[in-house]
Amino acid sequence: QVQLQGSGPGLVKPSETLSLTCAVSGYSISSGFHWGWIRQSPGKGLEWIGNVYHTGTSPYYNPSFESRVTISGDTSKNQFSLKLTSVTAADTAIYYCARWGSGWSFETWGQGTLVTVSS
Amino acid sequence: EIVLTQSPGTLSLSPGDRATLSCRASQSLSSTYLAWYQQKFGQAPRLLIYGTSSRATGIPDRFSGSGSGTDFTLTISRLEPEDFAVYYCHQYGRSPFTFGPGTKVDIK
Repeated sequence: QVQLQGSGPGLVKPSETLSLTCAVSGYSISSGFHWGWIRQSPGKGLEWIGNVYHTGTSPYYNPSFESRVTISGDTSKNQFSLKLTSVTAADTAIYYCARWGSGWSFETWGQGTLVTVSS
Repeated sequence: EIVLTQSPGTLSLSPGDRATLSCRASQSLSSTYLAWYQQKFGQAPRLLIYGTSSRATGIPDRFSGSGSGTDFTLTISRLEPEDFAVYYCHQYGRSPFTFGPGTKVDIK
């Protein structure tokens, strides 16, 4: 069955760029669905960041993040990625990657990656 | 943005009890796009219910969802020990997709 595995640095300095990758196994991302990122912090709970289409293009974002975020897919590597620029301590959270379907929303999730923003 | 409010914040019950969790939306939602998730400590959320009342694959029938408009409910008919967790409602019909703050179901 489909599995998602997020990875990336667990510590990012303020003002720098947070970069995470989600490797997908058991399903080709180009076959369908959308692929998204959600984060969870004690202060703000679960927040949807954005999704990208199965083509790896045409991302759509939460307006709260739109000025700082890029989500893209690499169908050749069967993975998708998140970049969030100009991070602050408020971006400290567990970041989840997930598969999204219009009928079911986020129906398969990765294990989560804790990212701490600190100097 | 559609704001989701959940009540109560915490529900203290015993195994075998019936749990009723509420989710209220700041605007009317299509029932097609309301989901419920369960999250246990240290784990990712798990999809329980989508489209207000459809159970996700492998979800036991003691979990049921209902509602329309701005008021939605998740019911657990008889709590099993593994059901004590945090439950979130989530709307995915209108961008930005949003989640409620959660209801914690703990053991009385």
